[in-house]
Amino acid sequence: GESVGLHLPTLSVQEGDNSIINCAYSNSASDYFIWYKQESGKGPQFIIDIRSNMDKRQGQRVTVLLNKTVKHLSLQIAATQPGDSAVYFCAERNGNQFYFGTGTSLTVIP
Amino acid sequence: DGGITQSPKYLFRKEGQNVTLSCEQNLNHDAMYWYRQDPGQGLRLIYYSQIVNDFQKGDIAEGYSVSREKKESFPLTVTSAQKNPTAFYLCAAGQGVGEQFFGPGTRLTVL
Repeated sequence: GESVGLHLPTLSVQEGDNSIINCAYSNSASDYFIWYKQESGKGPQFIIDIRSNMDKRQGQRVTVLLNKTVKHLSLQIAATQPGDSAVYFCAERNGNQFYFGTGTSLTVIP
Repeated sequence: DGGITQSPKYLFRKEGQNVTLSCEQNLNHDAMYWYRQDPGQGLRLIYYSQIVNDFQKGDIAEGYSVSREKKESFPLTVTSAQKNPTAFYLCAAGQGVGEQFFGPGTRLTVL
């Protein structure tokens, strides 16, 4: 099966600092990637996506970087806010299926 | 939650019972998915359906069954054959190669 993993299970940052969450994926044939945010007891929410023909994509306060050479994906959150506290996980698409990482728990310290 | 509703929010099952989790979408997406989420693990695919009246097993289909009689609906039945059903169940819908939209989830607990 697929293997999508995160380097760090937990991350604590000071409010206002930038956050970086990393993800490693295993299948070089995956052509589409998504970052999700999940708050406790709720369903995942889409944050940002990127296709494999790109290496960077920016949204509002978030940036996703894709390094296909080392099969690495990262999510950067600028000026992290308390409302950003949640579990973040990446997903890769290969064929008809998505494969999900285990998640990183981000805690923002006021 | 992106036009996807799941019910109930909490569900309790006695051993030996079958229970059905509801998932409805108003996004007009062709594909629907059921995932199981356990603490410390990534989402695992149970079943998915690309079109009405067709569905495929995911990685952990044993002990589960689904139906897709309507585009909007993709109910999941957790049968008594599923030995460890306590988990958070997530339904999703998607179109083509784009993102998946998730419902709010159902937490199933075996008593």
